[in-house]
Amino acid sequence: QQQVKQSPQSLIVQKGGISIINCAYENTAFDYFPWYQQFPGKGPALLIAIRPDVSEKKEGRFTISFNKSAKQFSLHIMDSQPGDSATYFCAAAFNYQLIWGAGTKLIIKP
Amino acid sequence: DSGVTQTPKHLITATGQRVTLRCSPRSGDLSVYWYQQSLDQGLQFLIQYYNGEERAKGNILERFSAQQFPDLHSELNLSSLELGDSALYFCASSDKTGMNTEAFFGQGTRLTVV
Repeated sequence: QQQVKQSPQSLIVQKGGISIINCAYENTAFDYFPWYQQFPGKGPALLIAIRPDVSEKKEGRFTISFNKSAKQFSLHIMDSQPGDSATYFCAAAFNYQLIWGAGTKLIIKP
Repeated sequence: DSGVTQTPKHLITATGQRVTLRCSPRSGDLSVYWYQQSLDQGLQFLIQYYNGEERAKGNILERFSAQQFPDLHSELNLSSLELGDSALYFCASSDKTGMNTEAFFGQGTRLTVV
């Protein structure tokens, strides 16, 4: 019940394309769903986050789509750029629980 | 720059030894979280402190301990080190007590046990 399953493990996208990373959770008590971006040798940095009372949140080229009934959420990166190449982690939180996905290594080919 | 400072950046030590990792949170943040990240893996939550008190515990081994001091900096103590303890250790901080809020991460301490 405490898992967050993230897919794919790795993703290669052409520059200008759309990158899509998916996550699924089981615990319906989760009420905060962040996405973190991590570059090699750096700590994770919050990219965008959503709470379950909305189905979509957009910040620039980054969009979270949230499907409460399916217990799934996804990150869409529009017009993907080489600078977006990084590892992306989804997570789910409730009160004192924070569960991370295993991460997706994204490579944007120029 | 997240405002979270971790020292040292790198640490190499032998099996059986004890080390201390230090974290200074962002100014004003009362919560400190510790995470372990093994090679090419996700982050494992270890422990959280809020204003000096332990608030949540994750997959932290009994050989590991942490504390948060009155000036809000935190230390993670790792003892009887094993090869498998080699990992990146991250500290994060936030101004809230729970986990369902934005946390700011430091650059990490890379621990190598030989």
